[in-house]
Amino acid sequence: GAVVSQHPSRVICKSGTSVKIECRSLDFQATTMFWYRQFPKQSLMLMATSNEGSKATYEQGVEKDKFLINHASLTLSTLTVTSAHPEDSSFYICSARDRASGRNEQYFGPGTRLTVT
Amino acid sequence: AQSVTQPDIHITVSEGASLELRCNYSYGATPYLFWYVQSPGQGLQLLLKYFSGDTLVQGIKGFEAEFKRSQSSFNLRKPSVHWSDAAEYFCAVGGITDTGFQKLVFGTGTRLLVSP
Repeated sequence: GAVVSQHPSRVICKSGTSVKIECRSLDFQATTMFWYRQFPKQSLMLMATSNEGSKATYEQGVEKDKFLINHASLTLSTLTVTSAHPEDSSFYICSARDRASGRNEQYFGPGTRLTVT
Repeated sequence: AQSVTQPDIHITVSEGASLELRCNYSYGATPYLFWYVQSPGQGLQLLLKYFSGDTLVQGIKGFEAEFKRSQSSFNLRKPSVHWSDAAEYFCAVGGITDTGFQKLVFGTGTRLLVSP
């Protein structure tokens, strides 16, 4: 149980284009999903917290107009990197909290490797 | 604010030897503590977690961790390491964002290398 998927697993795009990454909770409902960014050989940095049916809450220093987050249903959140630049190349990981669990436990997706050329 | 320190960037252990990965945290209240493992190019897998109760926590793959409040530590241990344990290990503490949401704060990770 508690499986989170991400699609795509890898994506290469050209500078200036936009790319959308999906995060799905497959066997549970997730009122809250989180988006992290991980640079090579570094830790995960929280970018934003996404709550179903409301606007995402971004961490300090994260451009909300560049990283658009939509949490349209209890099982799906999307991250759109707009006008991508090479410095946006990174490993993006989502996680989800089980609605039925009151505990601070997150289930992580397998990640999406974004390369901007 | 919450923070997590993993003082060892790399650790090399011989296969079959014991392992201890260090984790120190800073948090004002009783923390939720986690250890995750990440293989190259993969997402994170939860090894174990501490919320309350018994301070010695058993996890998957033969790992355990001990919560020591007096030392603000949550070190990960395994009595006998296997070559498949080579990976990146992250300690995390559950906290609250500036806007009141719960979030995880991760340490910088420790890369475990297993020698034959």
